[in-house]
Amino acid sequence: EVQLVESGGGLAQPGGSLRLSCAASGFTFSNHAMHWVRQAPGKGLEYVSAISSNGGSTSYASSVEGRFTISRDNSKNTLYLQMGSLRAEDMAVYYCARGLHYYGSGSLSPHYFDSWGQGTLVTVSS
Amino acid sequence: DIQMTQSPSSLSASVGDRVTITCRASQSISSHLNWYQQKPGKAPKLLIYAASSLQSGVPSRFSGSGSGTDFTLTISSLQPEDFATYYCQQSYRTSYTFGQGTKLEIK
Repeated sequence: EVQLVESGGGLAQPGGSLRLSCAASGFTFSNHAMHWVRQAPGKGLEYVSAISSNGGSTSYASSVEGRFTISRDNSKNTLYLQMGSLRAEDMAVYYCARGLHYYGSGSLSPHYFDSWGQGTLVTVSS
Repeated sequence: DIQMTQSPSSLSASVGDRVTITCRASQSISSHLNWYQQKPGKAPKLLIYAASSLQSGVPSRFSGSGSGTDFTLTISSLQPEDFATYYCQQSYRTSYTFGQGTKLEIK
């Protein structure tokens, strides 16, 4: 069974940093691209970032580019999101998701997200 | 960025009803469109990918159609467990934009 478990959320000050982790199990992590999606309280889903299976390709939403860094450690089956220069509008539940390519290619799109973690809440407040 | 617009934003329906949710892209996205269901306090769940492909384990009362800029999600006969919020998502560009969501409520 595919399992994704996020951790690392919590309270951060505006301008501060936080690192989220997503521990994967039940599948061959190194074969899959991974994604981060967030959801502000009471709001809809917002795409954040993606990373290819070997970590060689990444993409970011314009709202986080230059402030967030996605990475992965395939030896530890773990995905990361390093968040910096945090703003009030970054407050959200952050989900990691496994990406499956429509056609089996290694490119970062088109994917569908077939498995999701339970999410971790990031609060940004002084 | 590609903008995704869902309609309606909310919908009241009864068990057994046939329901259709529409999603429109700001530019052509071919068939690169996914649908998700989300219940309160839970992670999203994949229903449909590539516009019309039913994800394994999803009941056949869910179906998707469309290509280019206009897409629909149809639930043929609403069940109590279907009351939730539904999101479309484009996968044509790596911006992976979501629609704003459609909240399906019990009438």
